[in-house]
Amino acid sequence: QKEVEQNSGPLSVPEGAIASLNCTYSDRGSQSFFWYRQYSGKSPELIMSIYSNGDKEDGRFTAQLNKASQYVSLLIRDSQPSDSATYLCAVNSGGYQKVTFGTGTKLQVIP
Amino acid sequence: DTAVSQTPKYLVTQMGNDKSIKCEQNLGHDTMYWYKQDSKKFLKIMFSYNNKELIINETVPNRFSPKSPDKAHLNLHINSLELGDSAVYFCASSQDLPTDTQYFGPGTRLTVL
Repeated sequence: QKEVEQNSGPLSVPEGAIASLNCTYSDRGSQSFFWYRQYSGKSPELIMSIYSNGDKEDGRFTAQLNKASQYVSLLIRDSQPSDSATYLCAVNSGGYQKVTFGTGTKLQVIP
Repeated sequence: DTAVSQTPKYLVTQMGNDKSIKCEQNLGHDTMYWYKQDSKKFLKIMFSYNNKELIINETVPNRFSPKSPDKAHLNLHINSLELGDSAVYFCASSQDLPTDTQYFGPGTRLTVL
């Protein structure tokens, strides 16, 4: 089983819709969860971090964490074409010395 | 002012050659990393250094040797390059722990012919 799993996509949503990106992880001891965005040909950049169960909102982005189900998600409201990118889920594993990235979900927002 | 910089941006070389990639960060961070991103976009940690000390070495062939002359620099030397080494290599840094925000460099696209 992979440590961090994501559907590779592409996930296509129309402009203005809600995009829902999902991630599952295997290490029950994980405490820190991140969403990075990577535009094609560019480097990853952090958009959200979440540490406790529930929702965390930042502008159009909401991260949701359910540790019992080992599941973290990212919702993007009012999706814009500029949101088209690959979204990487990252989770700490083996304590705090390492963060493991998922393979990413490619999001396409159709104008 | 670039926070994390890497050189070169592109590297094309023949199998069997030795090459180096340099990384510098001006954020005052204590921890630096090398990641490899393959064609399927999987971003895999290779090494991490904290204050010039190796913290993580993730089952990377010994042909890869990182070197941290000071905490602002982390270079990657690769001996006897193989076709499978073709990938984008990202340097990153964080304040301390990997769970702090990681700031990535622009990447070095290595192509081995």
